[in-house]
Amino acid sequence: GNSVTQMEGPVTLSEEAFLTINCTYTATGYPSLFWYVQYPGEGLQLLLKATKADDKGSNKGFEATYRKETTSFHLEKGSVQVSDSAVYFCALSSNFGNEKLTFGTGTRLTIIP
Amino acid sequence: NAGVTQTPKFQVLKTGQSMTLQCAQDMNHEYMSWYRQDPGMGLRLIHYSVGAGITDQGEVPNGYNVSRSTTEDFPLRLLSAAPSQTSVYFCASSYIRTGGAYGYTFGSGTRLTVV
Repeated sequence: GNSVTQMEGPVTLSEEAFLTINCTYTATGYPSLFWYVQYPGEGLQLLLKATKADDKGSNKGFEATYRKETTSFHLEKGSVQVSDSAVYFCALSSNFGNEKLTFGTGTRLTIIP
Repeated sequence: NAGVTQTPKFQVLKTGQSMTLQCAQDMNHEYMSWYRQDPGMGLRLIHYSVGAGITDQGEVPNGYNVSRSTTEDFPLRLLSAAPSQTSVYFCASSYIRTGGAYGYTFGSGTRLTVV
């Protein structure tokens, strides 16, 4: 079945540091890949997505590239801000008519001023 | 522009009590689902629906029932609450497109404690 493995947290960085959160997946066929963000006390929001190999999703300075050869979708940001403190979830959706999202366990990110 | 609305936001139940978590969306999404979020476990799918009158089980369905009588509403019922059901519950909806659904809209969650 489908599964998502993401970097264990928590991750603590100083403001303006470079961020990488690793995500790898197992799926049949060609899944769509997503990063969701959850701010304290809120629901999940879609951060970015990629629907085919070599696609790069980007939003709010965050980027992730769909790497089929390494089955990875790592999240990166060049200079983090205190407002980026949140929990980040990697997820996938199969493209064989399966609407279900499979999530990783989440990575809590804290940015220190 | 309400999106996905969940009620209540917080609930405390005694073991054995029943209750219904409400979820409503105003985006005419075909697909609706319920997830539970537990520390270190991520989000796990409880039940989902691809349209009115159609429901199916997810990864962790035991102890929960759902129904989908309208496109807008997808309530989750706990028939006899247990402490293991203490969790944060999220409802999500999406359009169904060719190749699957993606870009879900999530509600703000219901924090349930069973004592």
